[in-house]
Amino acid sequence: EPEVTQTPSHQVTQMGQEVILRCVPISNHLYFYWYRQILGQKVEFLVSFYNNEISEKSEIFDDQFSVERPDGSNFTLKIRSTKLEDSAMYFCASSEWGYNEQFFGPGTRLTVL
Amino acid sequence: QQPVQSPQAVILREGEDAVINCSSSKALYSVHWYRQKHGEAPVFLMILLKGGEQKGHEKISASFNEKKQQSSLYLTASQLSYSGTYFCGTGIFSGTYKYIFGTGTRLKVLA
Repeated sequence: EPEVTQTPSHQVTQMGQEVILRCVPISNHLYFYWYRQILGQKVEFLVSFYNNEISEKSEIFDDQFSVERPDGSNFTLKIRSTKLEDSAMYFCASSEWGYNEQFFGPGTRLTVL
Repeated sequence: QQPVQSPQAVILREGEDAVINCSSSKALYSVHWYRQKHGEAPVFLMILLKGGEQKGHEKISASFNEKKQQSSLYLTASQLSYSGTYFCGTGIFSGTYKYIFGTGTRLKVLA
């Protein structure tokens, strides 16, 4: 069964460093999403991506965040200068069409020290 | 702006029923329901696209009342595997369209 994969599963970084979180969406899906979940809190929408551009983004997704689809399979989230409060689980998701069934990846736990 | 879910938490015995509600102050165009187990990613349960729509999957069903701007998730004859946190998710249009999750409901099923 096709699934969304994410790497790495856990990333530890120093405050101020750049990190890139990687996702491989399901191959025939057209919409891609990034979500964040701070420990013990709800899942928060960051951004959606379609046709090689951002379609929606939340207030959380400020200038330190960027997304890219560098090739036909990967979908990345870059955090330019990490802050302590960026520590969270980051989930990638994909769907065939906009906002229908979204398949989530297993997540990347980001720890900023 | 975030959809509010009720109850915040519920404990059930195996075989009991539960209802989880999701209410929004903004117009709802569609509602998704997800279940997240501790330490895992959310798993999609179902989507409701129009007012009055009801859907079911085995012993889990949901309804969507567009006029009341709310959706309810019905868990019938709960099983241990139903334990987790349930989120409703919806698109909100407020200048731009964005997707947000509800406040979440923690459900624990005891043997």
